Amino acid sequence: GAVVSQHPSWVICKSGTSVKIECRSLDFQATTMFWYRQFPKQSLMLMATSNEGSKATYEQGVEKDKFLINHASLTLSTLTVTSAHPEDSSFYICSASRMTSYNEQFFGPGTRLTVL
Amino acid sequence: DAKTTQPTSMDCAEGRAANLPCNHSTISGNEYVYWYRQIHSQGPQYIIHGLKNNETNEMASLIITEDRKSSTLILPHATLRDTAVYYCIVFNTGKLIFGQGTTLQVKP
Repeated sequence: GAVVSQHPSWVICKSGTSVKIECRSLDFQATTMFWYRQFPKQSLMLMATSNEGSKATYEQGVEKDKFLINHASLTLSTLTVTSAHPEDSSFYICSASRMTSYNEQFFGPGTRLTVL
Repeated sequence: DAKTTQPTSMDCAEGRAANLPCNHSTISGNEYVYWYRQIHSQGPQYIIHGLKNNETNEMASLIITEDRKSSTLILPHATLRDTAVYYCIVFNTGKLIFGQGTTLQVKP
């Protein structure tokens, strides 16, 4: 159990367009979901934390108007990269937290975004 | 959350045990030690976690020192598919913050 999916797995878009990435917890209810970004040969960088039904909390330096996060239900969170530019090209990974005594987090397979 | 220190890279021969160290000298009493790994271009995979006692599961063993200031992840019989970046994270609630991890290269 505890599977997290992301869609799409990869996307190529033109500069200036917006791209939406979905993150779903398939077999559990996720009280909190997290979005990470990873550039080549670097570690994962936390972008934001979202709780169902409330506004996301963004990490310092992450533009909330550019990276729109919606956590509409306990199984779905979306990340929209607005007005994408080539520097937004990255590997975007979500994780979902299931409340237990030790707050397990389960990661999705990631979405490769390439902005031309 | 406490910071961790891991070696940048390690090699291991296929079939041998891989021992990956992690220092977390500022860990708090209620923080767990988590290990994740990331195979190239995939999402991180949970391996194991522990609080005070040593832990073992089907993937690995986790040895935590008595003072909890360091730990070792043991892959008992490393295979080529274990080649990945291994992250040691100390964590209780909230955010998982990833450091640079250890790149483990398993060689034939």
